Formats: sequence, structure tokens, C-alpha cells
Amino acid sequence: RKEVEQDPGPFNVPEGATVAFNCTYSNSASQSFFWYRQDCRKEPKLLMSVYSSGNEDGRFTAQLNRASQYISLLIRDSKLSDSATYLCVASISNFGNEKLTFGTGTRLTIIP
Amino acid sequence: NAGVTQTPKFRVLKTGQSMTLLCAQDMNHEYMYWYRQDPGMGLRLIHYSVGEGTTAKGEVPDGYNVSRLKKQNFLLGLESAAPSQTSVYFCASSYPSGVPYEQYFGPGTRLTVT
Repeated sequence: RKEVEQDPGPFNVPEGATVAFNCTYSNSASQSFFWYRQDCRKEPKLLMSVYSSGNEDGRFTAQLNRASQYISLLIRDSKLSDSATYLCVASISNFGNEKLTFGTGTRLTIIP
Repeated sequence: NAGVTQTPKFRVLKTGQSMTLLCAQDMNHEYMYWYRQDPGMGLRLIHYSVGEGTTAKGEVPDGYNVSRLKKQNFLLGLESAAPSQTSVYFCASSYPSGVPYEQYFGPGTRLTVT
């Protein structure tokens, strides 16, 4: 079983719609969680961190459920520029060094 | 600032050949990482370094060696390339201030071993 599991998609969503991704993690020692965004043939970039209390950044909302060990990402009013692969990441900190475990990614395409 | 840069961007090797991938960062980051990304596997950590002169093994270290002689550079070596090492290689760096630490990635090196 993979440590971080995501639905690979693809999700094809019309512009302006709301889309949600879920991700589950198996290592209960994971302390920090992130969503990274990766455009086609580009490097991953941090989209947002995920906190237990939930956090929002513009049209993006991330939630963490430690009891069920899942993380979610909600995108509202989706734009064409949101088309990308979204990587769910769990982290264990070892003396300040973050060991990141990446999911395989969920591919999102926004349709005009 | 250039951020994290990687050299080369593309390379084709024959089985058994050797090569070195160079990663450079100009953000004065302490920590540096080498990952490989394969379809259906996600990013996997090969080796990492928590400071100049230090290196440690990650999840998939076999067949690779690394060196961190200068703080800003992290080299990944393949001594005898195998087709299983065909992949996209990403370098990343992070600075140990604030929690959690964001990792900044380079643009990647696409390696094909024939």
C-alpha cells in the first residue's frame, strides 16, 4: 500500500465549477501536509500547506482530518489556468529535516 | 535570483555509461534533495543533504552517489547507468526556518538510458 494515495483522475471540469480532491495517508506519524501543483513537464511548486483547522487561500481550501487520515483540496470558480496535476504530500520532520512523501498526483483539466 | 537550477536538462546515456547531474541553488538553503519521478510512482527521494559536507540516503539510493562539497551545489552521480534509471530527476532545496519548510524544486533533468 502506498503511503500517500490519490485518485489519479483525470478530472475534466467545466470552467467556473467547483472541484474537490481527496488524499489518504497511511503513516500516522506524519506531522505536516501540503498540496503541490505540477504543470505538464515542469517542476512541482508549493500550492498551500494544510492545517488541522483548515486553511483558505483565495479560491483554494485545504482540510485535514487526522482521525481518518485524509486531506482534501477544494477549488472554487475554477479557471483554465488551474489545469495541472495536484500532488498530495505528507511530511515527517526528523531533527528539522522534512521527509516528504508524495502521492502520484491527481490530474485536473478545466474545460472552456 | 535564479532559485534552483539543474544541468543538464536532457541526456541520453547508454547502459554502463556514467554521468553527473549538477544542482545549484542561490538561496543560501541548508538542505538539498534529489528525487526521481516516474509515471505512477510519484516523486521518490534518492539522497539528501542537511548541510555542506553531509549526505544521507533516501528511499531509493541504490545505483546513485552524491556529494555536497559546497553549500550551493549538490551533485548526483550515476556510476554505471541502467535502463531502470530512465526517469525525470528533480533537485530541491529548503531552508530550516519556520515550520513546515517549503521545498523549492529545480526544472528537472530528463534522463534516458538505452
